[in-house]
Parts: sequence; structure tokens; C-alpha cells
Amino acid sequence: ILNVEQSPQSLHVQEGDSTNFTCSFPSSNFYALHWYRWETAKSPEALFVMTLNGDEKKKGRISATLNTKEGYSYLYIKGSQPEDSATYLCASANTGNQFYFGTGTSLTVIP
Amino acid sequence: KAGVTQTPRYLIKTRGQQVTLSCSPISGHRSVSWYQQTPGQGLQFLFEYFSETQRNKGNFPGRFSGRQFSNSRSEMNVSTLELGDSALYLCASSEKPAAGELFFGEGSRLTVL
Repeated sequence: ILNVEQSPQSLHVQEGDSTNFTCSFPSSNFYALHWYRWETAKSPEALFVMTLNGDEKKKGRISATLNTKEGYSYLYIKGSQPEDSATYLCASANTGNQFYFGTGTSLTVIP
Repeated sequence: KAGVTQTPRYLIKTRGQQVTLSCSPISGHRSVSWYQQTPGQGLQFLFEYFSETQRNKGNFPGRFSGRQFSNSRSEMNVSTLELGDSALYLCASSEKPAAGELFFGEGSRLTVL
């Protein structure tokens, strides 16, 4: 069983602040690292899928990095907006196509 | 493109009963995976199907089973329901398992009384 851990568990930031979350995962049998955004009463939506060590991906104000050697990924949000409020999930996929999700970081952006 | 559709959205069952949940993936997606979410827990992987074959199964008892049809639609079944089976069950479809992003349905919320 893979243990994917996310920190912090929850976070409150002021509108305009930048913030970041951490996802740590076991490196054995690693294949891909996924980030998802899950708003209340909606389905999780994919943000990024990364496979290579050193990968960096960006979508608007959100970006992510991947370090497969040490088993961690960071998600950054620049200039947080109230609409960024959601739970951010990371998941590690192994070579057997099994996904292991963390418990998420709940972000609240205060206007 | 239509999204992933799960039915039913909500259901209430009593202990000992069984339940079947359905998932229709995005057209062209051959991989369907199922997850359970309970309060305080992350999404727990149940199983993954690809072209009608179960390729992976998570750490769940044999009461949890599933199947996939030739049109990629999938069903999961839970027999002899227990109170602890109350959860949100999500399915997700993907073009490329593991490396491709998952597209989730809205989930089926099961309450076991």
C-alpha cells in the first residue's frame, strides 16, 4: 500500500496571497503524479499530470513541480482568488496503474 | 463530449442488502476506475477495468466487485452491506491509465442504515 501524504490539511489565505502545498509519495514503482482540484458539490477536475523528475507544469496562476527521486511534488497558487477555494488532491499512480490519493489540502481564500 | 455519468446519485440501503452502481465513461475512454471516499479519508482505490478486464484491485473485501461491458460502461456491486460502506463512490474514466488524467463522475452517495 502506498501512502501519499499532503500538507497542510487546511489553509486559509487572504485574497492576493500566494500559497503552496506539498504532496509526498513513495518513489517505488512510481509512474505518474496527478493533481486534482475538487470544489464542493462538483467532481474532481484534473490540474496536472507529471511523470518525469524535474517536471514543471503551469496553468494560469497555478503551477506544480515534481521530484521523483525524493518523492515529493509542490503545487503553487500565485495571487489566490476566492474562486481558488477548493480541496486540492494529489495522487500517485504506480506502474500497475493503481492510484493512491492523499487526503487533500482544503484551501479557503478570504476576500 | 458528454462527461462521466454515474447512477444513481443517491441511495439508501439497509445492512445486509446489496447495491449496484453504474458508470458510463466518456466516449472513447476504455479505462474505468472506482474510488470510495469516507469522511476523513482520501479517495480509496477500489478497482480499475480496461477493455472489460479487471487489471487492478485495491485493498477491499470480496464483497466489492465490478465489471465492465463491451461499450466500456462499468458497474460495481457491493454485497452484504455494512454500515461502514456508507460513502461517496466515484468512478473515473481515462484514455491512458496512470499517465492520462482522470475524468470523474459526480458520484453515487450510498447510505447504509
